[in-house]
Amino acid sequence: NAGVTQTPKFRVLKTGQSMTLLCAQDMNHEYMYWYRQDPGMGLRLIHYSVGEGTTAKGEVPDGYNVSRLKKQNFLLGLESAAPSQTSVYFCASSSPRKGVNTEAFFGQGTRLTVV
Amino acid sequence: KQEVTQIPAALSVPEGENLVLNCSFTDSAIYNLQWFRQDPGKGLTSLLLIQSSQREQTSGRLNASLDKSSGRSTLYIAASQPGDSATYLCAVKNEKLTFGTGTRLTIIP
Repeated sequence: NAGVTQTPKFRVLKTGQSMTLLCAQDMNHEYMYWYRQDPGMGLRLIHYSVGEGTTAKGEVPDGYNVSRLKKQNFLLGLESAAPSQTSVYFCASSSPRKGVNTEAFFGQGTRLTVV
Repeated sequence: KQEVTQIPAALSVPEGENLVLNCSFTDSAIYNLQWFRQDPGKGLTSLLLIQSSQREQTSGRLNASLDKSSGRSTLYIAASQPGDSATYLCAVKNEKLTFGTGTRLTIIP
């Protein structure tokens, strides 16, 4: 049981390049989230999705786009990377329903450096 | 907008002591509250999940409580050990999952 898998684990980009981070979960969860973590800032929500085909903005969405074409996958795109996007990115998934196990599960993170 | 605060930001205690970490949130309409630990350079490890209808959860030396009406949760660690040194994060869930900025805990041998 893989849980939540993030690809890639490490990446170095040049300013202006684009890339896509992939998050895949095998728990049939409806909710998926993308966060970034910077020193001293905790985890800040970039975008999230409450189901296949739906996405919504989080706390820090600028410079990022997302897509949820399949229930098990949540993609985070950087169209034109900037040094300010150097960070560690975490993906998470959970079940939305009250009264059942709504524990959130996290991927191992993607360390992105933009030079 | 949900805001989650963790106090203190850092804490150092001698090995063997019991300690309490605090988490407060502004919107009480939550589904659950989850405590995580994070070691330097690593991912998040889930410690305890408290559903909105529960008051506390226990796992080994850890006990977490939840008071929705006052917007507070505490994580109690008994008989602390050097291996407990890490950053502890709380997160509250409704549609979004909102994190506090964490408490960096150091246990002094």
